[in-house]
Amino acid sequence: EAGVTQFPSHSVIEKGQTVTLRCDPISGHDNLYWYRRVMGKEIKFLLHFVKESKQDESGMPNNRFLAERTGGTYSTLKVQPAELEDSGVYFCASSQEWPWGTDTQYFGPGTRLTVL
Amino acid sequence: GNSVTQMEGPVTLSEEAFLTINCTYTATGYPSLFWYVQYPGEGLQLLLKATKADDKGSNKGFEATYRKETTSFHLEKGSVQVSDSAVYFCALSPISNFGNEKLTFGTGTRLTIIP
Repeated sequence: EAGVTQFPSHSVIEKGQTVTLRCDPISGHDNLYWYRRVMGKEIKFLLHFVKESKQDESGMPNNRFLAERTGGTYSTLKVQPAELEDSGVYFCASSQEWPWGTDTQYFGPGTRLTVL
Repeated sequence: GNSVTQMEGPVTLSEEAFLTINCTYTATGYPSLFWYVQYPGEGLQLLLKATKADDKGSNKGFEATYRKETTSFHLEKGSVQVSDSAVYFCALSPISNFGNEKLTFGTGTRLTIIP
């Protein structure tokens, strides 16, 4: 079974440009999460999809970030326009939906974003 | 809110040494606790987890026990190997009636094992 995949693995852009990150969750996983790690600090939650709906987007830093999950399959995270402080590693994770509590989240390899 | 405090790194040990990486947490109720590991050039992998007090998670020789009284989930290994060199993250996820919840991570501890 394929794991969580992310594309690209690394992106280098200039300040003010737009970048779109993609995440493909494990097949059958309704839950999809985005996290990021900035400057070697802790990994922070950005948002959570259940199928195509945003369950929790409390971690999105500002309106320059837009996440979508069309059809409840893959997800994209767009940053427009990118700022220097957006540099970091963006992780995607997915998990199955269980009625009795939290299930394990499986992570992708991450996308390293560098904004110059 | 929820938080995880993790032992600052980096940590450097000799092969076959005993490892402890401290992790304490703040949360309401009884969260699930996790250790994730990121090997060089790879993504995050679940190392072990525990879902209730006094549970012990174990994998690849690593162990961690869920201590409710001390709100801790310290990671231990009796004899480390060079291949254990990685960044280790402690994390928690609250249990709720809504099921799956977001993870709260510590800052990560970089571990280097020298031969």
